[in-house]
Order: sequence, then structure tokens, then C-alpha cells
Amino acid sequence: DAMVIQNPRYQVTQFGKPVTLSCSQTLNHNVMYWYQQKSSQAPKLLFHYYDKDFNNEADTPDNFQSRRPNTSFCFLDIRSPGLGDAAMYLCATSRDRGRVQGAYEQYFGPGTRLTVT
Amino acid sequence: AQSVAQPEDQVNVAEGNPLTVKCTYSVSGNPYLFWYVQYPNRGLQFLLKYITGDNLVKGSYGFEAEFNKSQTSFHLKKPSALVSDSALYFCAVRDVGRDDKIIFGKGTRLHILP
Repeated sequence: DAMVIQNPRYQVTQFGKPVTLSCSQTLNHNVMYWYQQKSSQAPKLLFHYYDKDFNNEADTPDNFQSRRPNTSFCFLDIRSPGLGDAAMYLCATSRDRGRVQGAYEQYFGPGTRLTVT
Repeated sequence: AQSVAQPEDQVNVAEGNPLTVKCTYSVSGNPYLFWYVQYPNRGLQFLLKYITGDNLVKGSYGFEAEFNKSQTSFHLKKPSALVSDSALYFCAVRDVGRDDKIIFGKGTRLHILP
């Protein structure tokens, strides 16, 4: 089945130790998103890729970086995790193509729960 | 700027009764509207969307939503609730013609009581 896969599902890292979360998709969607979600709050968009074009949200800290080496994979790098970065990180994709841009729903992965010790 | 409001943090409904989860929105142009559901320790799952056309939209698991332009609302409904419907529900809006950003509401926790 086509899907969005996130690895690992649970990640524990130490304060200040770089960590990378990964996302892969078999949907061949051209848009990929990274969200941060805390304590059943609304997901907060960190950034997204439209094909290879990177779009950073204005309030996303510099501590968060992303890479998309190809259509299928996208990575979230947290360079120096702080205690406040503990959260669920959600990857999502959407087709967004053509003149009906924005009409397509997002497909979410199961998330990676990050703990910072 | 676009925004979406879910006025209820929690909704409790007895099993078998109809349920409604409320959502109102604000956009400068025409909206694309979405409902997602999230089960514990899982990602969000798409339920339904309104893009254009018929104001009553039917989606997964028997859910439906009605787009009301005059009231700027997009309430989620189901005629007969199941215990398995208990989850966190998010309404989301995208402003047609604007950038790709989708704005999520803060979520409503739905409890279906057996």
C-alpha cells in the first residue's frame, strides 16, 4: 500500500546532541511537509518542500533544518535539541499539482516522538 | 490572514446519538476546508474536504460536513456515534489562491460514551 513512513517511531536524544528524523513516501507526491505537534495541540508547520523548492516558515528556529535528496525521502535535522523541542514530529505529503493548487489533502505518517534528556 | 476556530475543546456524546464537532473559519477569498482525525500516538488521517460544489460533503467512516458560507462554518457530523469514533479532530483551512500553507484548528477531543 502507498504510504508515508517515518523512522524511528520513538527517538531519545540528549540535550544538545544532533538528531535526524527521516520520512519516506511511496505516493510519489511532490510536496512534503514537516510539522511539530506538542501535547495534542494543533500541528505547527516547520517547513515544506514543493518539489526541490524549500519553504521555511518565518518562525521556525534555525536549529531546525531539512533535506530532501529525492522525491521519496525527506529528513528533519535538529542541530542542538533543547528540552523545548520534545514533541511529536509529523511528516506529511500532498499531490498539489496543476491549477487546482491547494485542493489536495495531506497524507500523514505515524509520527516520531522525540524525547530530549 | 486566514484562521480557523474550533470552539469546543471536548465533546461528549453517547454511543448511537448524533454528533457534531464545530468549526468556523476566516479567509480573505474562497476556502478549501478539511477535517482530519488523530488517534493516540498516530499521525493525522484525512476524513473529508470541501473544495467547491455541493455544500454537504461525505467522507470516511460515515462522517459528513456542511459548508455554510454565510456562517463561515464547516461543522463535522455523524448520524450515529460509535465508541471507536473517540479521537482528536482537527479542522483545517486553506485560502484559495494564496500560498500552500494550511492552517489547523486547535483540535476537539471527541469522547463517545458507551
